[in-house]
Formats: sequence, C-alpha cells, structure tokens
Amino acid sequence: GENVEQHPSTLSVQEGDSAVIKCTYSDSASNYFPWYKQELGKGPQLIIDIRSNVGEKKDQRIAVTLNKTAKHFSLHITETQPEDSAVYFCAASPSGTYKYIFGTGTRLKVLA
Amino acid sequence: AAGVIQSPRHLIKEKRETATLKCYPIPRHDTVYWYQQGPGQDPQFLISFYEKMQSDKGSIPDRFSAQQFSDYHSELNMSSLELGDSALYFCASSLNLGQETQYFGPGTRLLVL
Repeated sequence: GENVEQHPSTLSVQEGDSAVIKCTYSDSASNYFPWYKQELGKGPQLIIDIRSNVGEKKDQRIAVTLNKTAKHFSLHITETQPEDSAVYFCAASPSGTYKYIFGTGTRLKVLA
Repeated sequence: AAGVIQSPRHLIKEKRETATLKCYPIPRHDTVYWYQQGPGQDPQFLISFYEKMQSDKGSIPDRFSAQQFSDYHSELNMSSLELGDSALYFCASSLNLGQETQYFGPGTRLLVL
C-alpha cells in the first residue's frame, strides 16, 4: 500500500525567510497530493493541492512542486509570518481509493 | 462558508463504555470520511461513505462501526472502549466520491479513562 514520508519533522525559520517541506510517496499510481495546515486544537485545513498531471502550483506565498518520476512533492512557503506557525501534513490519495495517506507532519515555527 | 460540523467536541468515557460521534458534512457534500489522530501523530483513515454506502475501509477496529444517513450525516459508533482509543476523531467531507478534496471538521476529542 501507499506510504508517505515527510521531512523535516520540525522546522524553525526567521520571519520573512522561506520554508520548504518535502514528502515522498511509494505508490506511483497516486494521483492527488494535498497539503494541510493544522493549528493546535483544530482540524486540518487545506492550503494547497496538486494533481499528478501538473508539475507546479502556486497560490500567493505558497507553492507546491511535484516530481512524478522521483515520487516526491514539496511545499514552499515564502515570506513566512508568525501566523504560519503550525503543523503541516502532506498526503497522497492512491488511485482507485478515496482515502488519504498522510505524512508524519512537520512542526513549523516562525520566529519573530 | 459552512464547514463540517462534528459533535460532541469533547467526550470523556470509561473503559468498556460506548461512544457515538456525529458528523454533519458541508451542504451538498455526499461523501464523508472518518480519521483518527493520536497525540503527535498523523491522521489515520478509518472508513468512508458515499451515498449511504461504505466506499472504503481502513484501519477501523471491529469494535467500531459507522453509517451514513439519508441526510448525509454520519455517525461513528465505538463500543468496548479501550484506553488506546483516546484520540482526536476527524470527519471530512467531499462534494462527491470522485472529488478528491476533503474538508475536515474541527474534530471530537475522546478521552477514555
């Protein structure tokens, strides 16, 4: 079955710097890759997603890149702000199923 | 915009008791998913429903059951609760089975004593 690895597990950056979180997946048939932000005591909130027929997607300060050959995808946050501090999860949706397989999460801390 | 509603938000139970968690999807969403998130862990898929039928099954214990009703809300029934069942339980919904994007609710925090 699908397995998703996520790195790093914790990440501290200075306000205004960029943050990059990387995920790899094992099932080459996976075709949808969302990213979620989870704040303490809240449910995961979708921040960006990408489908397997697209290599890159950008939404303001957030971008996601996908390398299907290498089976990895990355989240890029530019001009980080303290409110970006949260746990970020990547996920993969294997083809033929509708569940998500989540990565283990990255705790991002943006230092003011 | 309306979001996924879950109730209760917090629940405390004793071992061997039963619990029922409820999920109300975003209006017009007909697919619901249940996930369990242990402390410091990622969400683990339990089960999903589309049009009142089970569409996918994950690591859901036999002690748990779930169903989706005609108004698309879903209930997760948990029996013979164990200490290890203490976790956050999230419900998510999507527009339909073919729509990949899942929108998560705020979760129910279950504590089993």
